[in-house]
Amino acid sequence: GQNIDQPTEMTATEGAIVQINCTYQTSGFNGLFWYQQHAGEAPTFLSYNVLDGLEEKGRFSSFLSRSKGYSYLLLKELQMKDSASYLCAVKDSNYQLIWGAGTKLIIKP
Amino acid sequence: ETGVTQTPRHLVMGMTNKKSLKCEQHLGHNAMYWYKQSAKKPLELMFVYNFKEQTENNSVPSRFSPECPNSSHLFLHLHTLQPEDSALYLCASSQEGSGSSDTQYFGPGTRLTVL
Repeated sequence: GQNIDQPTEMTATEGAIVQINCTYQTSGFNGLFWYQQHAGEAPTFLSYNVLDGLEEKGRFSSFLSRSKGYSYLLLKELQMKDSASYLCAVKDSNYQLIWGAGTKLIIKP
Repeated sequence: ETGVTQTPRHLVMGMTNKKSLKCEQHLGHNAMYWYKQSAKKPLELMFVYNFKEQTENNSVPSRFSPECPNSSHLFLHLHTLQPEDSALYLCASSQEGSGSSDTQYFGPGTRLTVL
């Protein structure tokens, strides 16, 4: 079967750095997506990785290792507004998105 | 108005009611999706429409009936639902419905409660 694993919940301090991991086992790979979802709101697109390596976008970076079936989302200089759920999703060989259950990130002052 | 909109935002219905959820996208996309999101579970893909044609039906019970009259509008008709159908229903759209980098953009969802 296809599976995406990410931690259920993480806690970090304002101003710090946090890394949210995602491991996947899918039938084929056609890219990995990260989304942010604040409570009661729409998931919003953060990043897309299809090749190995690090993609940086301001305070957020996403890393991919296809050989290890592994990705992480790195958030720097954490702000209170970063408190949200972070969803990892992989496109399989049929170009269908397989979703993780999401990681709830709690930021403390 | 921009992006993907959904109405209503909240819906409470009895098991014998019939209601419809509406989604509209203003992004010029050709593919639209319905997802079900339950607490602490991965998003479940329900239906996919590409250029108004249904291309995916992930074994969804017949009490959920989608309708896509054009590339900008998507409906989900609900009838004789069960309490376990209570969830957040998300609509999304994307440019082409396939391809590696084709990115889905979501609406804010309809929070559905079935009594």
